[in-house]
This record gives sequence, C-alpha cells and structure tokens, in this order.
Amino acid sequence: QVQPQESGPGLVKPSETLSLTCTVSGDSMRGHYWSWIRQTPGKGLEWIGYIYYSGTSRYNPSLASRVTMSVDRSTNQLSLSLKSVTTADTAVYYCARALAGLYNVFDMWGQGTRVTVSS
Amino acid sequence: DIVMTQSPDSLAVSLGERATINCKSSQNIFYDTNNKTYLAWYQQKPGQPPKLLLYWASIRESGVPDRFSGSGSGTEFTLSISSLQAEDVAIYYCQQYHSGPATFGQGTRLEIK
Repeated sequence: QVQPQESGPGLVKPSETLSLTCTVSGDSMRGHYWSWIRQTPGKGLEWIGYIYYSGTSRYNPSLASRVTMSVDRSTNQLSLSLKSVTTADTAVYYCARALAGLYNVFDMWGQGTRVTVSS
Repeated sequence: DIVMTQSPDSLAVSLGERATINCKSSQNIFYDTNNKTYLAWYQQKPGQPPKLLLYWASIRESGVPDRFSGSGSGTEFTLSISSLQAEDVAIYYCQQYHSGPATFGQGTRLEIK
C-alpha cells in the first residue's frame, strides 16, 4: 500500500483560504472513507471531516462553516479547503484512510504537511 | 462532543516491564446492539503520523505485536504493553468513534526509566 501524500502551501495569511491536496493510490481510494485530521501542540489531534470516494462528506461541526472537501477520482486526489483562517488553524494537517467498513478508524496516514497561518 | 481524557500524561517504565495507559470517555462508547466498544488506540513516534494499534477496544491491527493489548468497557479503558521494548517509546492516543465527531485523548508520553 502506498502512503497518501499531502501537499500545499506551508504559509497562509490570516483571513485567506487554506487549500491542501492529498494524493492516494487508486486501489486504496476506492471503498474507503478519507479524513483530514490536524494536530497542534495545544489542541492535540482534531478530526476535520471525512469524504467517501463517491463524494459524500461529513464535517466536524466546529469547523463545518469553513470547510469544504472534495475528491477527484480521475487524479486520485482529495482536497481540503478551509476558509477565513486564523493563527488557531496553524497545525500539521494529515489525510488518513479509514478501515474498510468504518468511518473513523484510521489505518493509513500521510506524513502530514505543516501549515502556518501568519501575516 | 465526547471528551477523551488520558492518564497519566507521561509515564516512565523499565525495559521488560509492563506499561499501562488509561483512557476515560465522557460518555458510554459501547453499543449494546452490536456488543462493540467504539475505541481505538494509536502510537505516534517523533516526526511520524499516528499508527493504528487497536480498534474495537481490543482488536489488534495487522502487524501489531501481541505485547499490545486493550481492555475496558463503558467509559474506562486501558492500553497495556506487557513487556516494554525500546521501540515502544512514543506518545499514545485513545480515540472514540462512537458518536459525533471522532475525538482523541490528549496523549500519554511513554519513556524508558
């Protein structure tokens, strides 16, 4: 199994939109829920939301007003968009695959990408 | 949201000894309809993402050594490492997936004494 790979800008200005991409292998995308999870020293691990390979998604209510997730099956990529960011959104962002048949048990993680929100 | 609280925050155990990490949920995370406890445990080493160890409170993920075991029910759970190895130095997290957004404990740092 090929590990997912997150990518995106490491620095985002306050009030702007954070956009990240996760590239996964075609075989591992199908039939699984995929989540974005972030980690900060202060709040620890925080689940942002998941998207199924069909496009169905669900977000953490605490972030739902600012989050959009999408999937592009032609390129095997998942995307995360978080708008109106503040310094509190500074974190390491992971994409993670859920075990088959489950939404939220994560058996495969990307290495993570560090995003800093700063002017 | 269900709050997950781990104890202790850090733990030092001698090589070959048993390590025990506790996790408490603010609500019952057991479903009697399927007799399952919706709890997972992860291990995170420096510079790496978390690694799944256990789910359904006690089912080991493929490839996880059998010195790792999980127990508990209702709202109180335990991760045990029967004979601590040097490679087990890490931060350990519990996570509930019973209801609402998935939530994680704050982590327990395990070191060698």
